[in-house]
Amino acid sequence: GIQVEQSPPDLILQEGANSTLRCNFSDSVNNLQWFHQNPWGQLINLFYIPSGTKQNGRLSATTVATERYSLLYISSSQTTDSGVYFCAVGARWGKLQFGAGTQVVVTP
Amino acid sequence: DAGVIQSPRHEVTEMGQEVTLRCKPISGHNSLFWYRQTMMRGLELLIYFNNNVPIDDSGMPEDRFSAKMPNASFSTLKIQPSEPRDSAVYFCASSSERTGLTEAFFGQGTRLTVV
Repeated sequence: GIQVEQSPPDLILQEGANSTLRCNFSDSVNNLQWFHQNPWGQLINLFYIPSGTKQNGRLSATTVATERYSLLYISSSQTTDSGVYFCAVGARWGKLQFGAGTQVVVTP
Repeated sequence: DAGVIQSPRHEVTEMGQEVTLRCKPISGHNSLFWYRQTMMRGLELLIYFNNNVPIDDSGMPEDRFSAKMPNASFSTLKIQPSEPRDSAVYFCASSSERTGLTEAFFGQGTRLTVV
């Protein structure tokens, strides 16, 4: 199956800081999603981004499919950004392979 | 749309008992997935259905686990008999293949504790 590696595994940020999370994957994909798992355990869809660049408020993401990586940018971080960020990829049928996640803690 | 709906949200059961988890996918979605999340293994796919038909159940841990999708708006995941190592959060997700966009949406999960 497709291998998904996320880095860094942990990230501590001061409120207001910017950060970049990375996702590398081992094979061609037709689906790539970024999720935020909040402290209550909910998986929130951030981006559906098999290629290209998207922005949503303080968050943006870029996927370079030919080089098999995706980046998630968090700007002006807030305490509500804390949680685990997952990258998940799929080759077909919407079936997703998840990375291990990046645990983000934003301190006041 | 109400999103993917799972029930119950929490389940505590004794070892050996049968457990049934339920899922209602987003209306119009034709693919449904069951995932399990544990600290040790992260998020792993158990089984997925397309047009109510099980396509890949290779992630189902063992014969104690079974899943059904009798119609397009309902699926169950059953564990019989349950064991303490089945304790985890079980997520259901759905997506639509028809549009060519395969974005998956997740339910709130069922936290299962087997004592």
